[in-house]
Amino acid sequence: GAGVSQSPRYKVAKRGRDVALRCDSISGHVTLYWYRQTLGQGSEVLTYSQSDAQRDKSGRPSGRFSAERPERSVSTLKIQRTEQGDSAVYLCASSLGQVGVEGAGANVLTFGAGSRLTVL
Amino acid sequence: EDKVVQSPLSLVVHEGDTVTLNCSYEVTNFRSLLWYKQEKKAPTFLFMLTSSGIEKKSGRLSSILDKKELSSILNITATQTGDSAIYLCAVVETSGSRLTFGEGTQLTVNP
Repeated sequence: GAGVSQSPRYKVAKRGRDVALRCDSISGHVTLYWYRQTLGQGSEVLTYSQSDAQRDKSGRPSGRFSAERPERSVSTLKIQRTEQGDSAVYLCASSLGQVGVEGAGANVLTFGAGSRLTVL
Repeated sequence: EDKVVQSPLSLVVHEGDTVTLNCSYEVTNFRSLLWYKQEKKAPTFLFMLTSSGIEKKSGRLSSILDKKELSSILNITATQTGDSAIYLCAVVETSGSRLTFGEGTQLTVNP
């Protein structure tokens, strides 16, 4: 398709379980972000990967978050030992080039519709 | 730690009003500032600002960056109900690896 798609759209998990969320980004896009939105805390970037980097462990708020990129246009966000505070909408965004560079072509982010995670 | 603060957090206006949304940042190695509009689905891109003092304009929306004041404003003139959304500001640092979002401003435009 032409956009970024995410699955599942909704996920309910029991506290302590691991969760995997998938993002299919746009073919040819190099940069991929995962970020989450919560009421009250706004949006924060969780992980970032670029080009052929298959694994990025720059997770926030802790090492429980990691992203794998088995193919350039596919990324999986893994959340280990989920906590109730992880309940949020998780958004994936990808970019053709490096984000924030003038004249670099389609350098802005295209977002997916998000996966809403509820941790009980 | 990089920080982006938006104000106000919430704003209610009447159709036809002009609004100004603010975004201030503390970023170690600033590259660009991005504005997005988020309605029910994913955020959509509005503007990217890298140079101070150069206004970007798209219809009734305009934005400008002030690197000295470490801030940006987003103006919307003659607001319409369709402008109701959350407006997000994000700052990109030089390597492109870090993108810091503000909390967003919830704008409601009443008829």
